[in-house]
Parts: sequence; C-alpha cells; structure tokens
Amino acid sequence: GIQVEQSPPDLILQEGANSTLRCNFSDSVNNLQWFHQNPWGQLINLFYIPSGTKQNGRLSATTVATERYSLLYISSSQTTDSGVYFCAVPASGGSYIPTFGRGTSLIVHP
Amino acid sequence: EAGVTQSPTHLIKTRGQQATLRCSPISGHTSVYWYQQALGLGLQFLLWYDEGEERNRGNFPPRFSGRQFPNYSSELNVNALELEDSALYLCASSLATSGMGTQYFGPGTRLTVL
Repeated sequence: GIQVEQSPPDLILQEGANSTLRCNFSDSVNNLQWFHQNPWGQLINLFYIPSGTKQNGRLSATTVATERYSLLYISSSQTTDSGVYFCAVPASGGSYIPTFGRGTSLIVHP
Repeated sequence: EAGVTQSPTHLIKTRGQQATLRCSPISGHTSVYWYQQALGLGLQFLLWYDEGEERNRGNFPPRFSGRQFPNYSSELNVNALELEDSALYLCASSLATSGMGTQYFGPGTRLTVL
C-alpha cells in the first residue's frame, strides 16, 4: 500500500512564528486531506487538496501531485494552533480507505 | 448542521468484557469509518460501512466488529477486551461518491481497559 511520511515529527514554536509541515507520499493520489487534532483529540478537517494551492486565513496548503508531496503553511502561529497535524491519502488508487501519516506534533508557546 | 456525534465520551471496562461504541454521521452522509488511535500511535483504520454494509476492514482481529443501521448511524463492538485495546476510538463520516470522500470526525470515545 501507499506510504505516507510527515516531517518534522515534532515542532516547537514561539507565538507569531511561521512554519511549514511536509507530507510525502509514495504513489500518485487523487485525494489528499490535512487535519488538525487538538489536545482534546478532536480532528478538524483543514483542507481537501489533491493538487494546487488553497488558503484559509493563516493556513495554506500546496500539493504538488507530480512530485508526490504536500505542504501545510502556518503563518503567525497562535497557541490554539497547538496539536497534531495529519495528512491522509487514499490507501491505493481510487480506494475509499484513507492512509494517514504519523503526524507532526506542534507546540506553540505564548 | 450537526456534526458527527459519538457516545459515550469515556468508557471504562475490565479485561474480558465487551464494549459498545456509537456514532451518528452528519445528515446525508452514508459512509462511516472507525479508527483506533492508541497512545503514541497514528490513526489505524478499523472498519468502513456504507449503505448498511461492511465494505472494508483493517488489520484487526474478528473481535472488533460493528454494524450500520438504516439511519446510517453505526455501532462498534469490541469483544473480549484486552489491555492493549485502550485507545481513542474515532468515527468519521463522508459522502462516498467516488473514492475517499472528505472525512468529518466525531469527538471520539476514550476506552480504558483495566
């Protein structure tokens, strides 16, 4: 099945800093999603981004499908951005089953 | 629009008992996914239900089972609980139009096995 690797595994920032999270995948995909899991365990869907660039407030994401990676940008980070960020792609081809990366754990200090 | 709901929030059981977890999807969503997130591990796919049928299951033993009801809500049953079943169990719903739909997650059920 497809392999998904996220980097860095851990990230510690001061409030106001910018960061870039990366998601590499081993095969071509037609679907990629980014999620934020808050410290209480709730996962929030951030982006559906199989290709191209999207922005939502201080967050933006870019997927370069031909090179098999996606980037999540967080600008002017806030303490509420803390948590774990996951990317997910279909397990194979047009699969209905997601494969998740291991996540990037982000801590933003005030 | 109400999001995905799960109950109970917390569940404490002893080894060998059975646990039942419940999930209600977003209105209009026909697909329900179950995931296990054990401490320090990522999200492991458990089961996928769509239109009342089990469509796929992850690499988990048969004592993990479930069902989907006509109103698309779902139930996850874990029999003969083991200590390592302690985890956060997450349910997600999506519109299964073609391939992996956008996943919307519930708040999870935290299962503790003593």
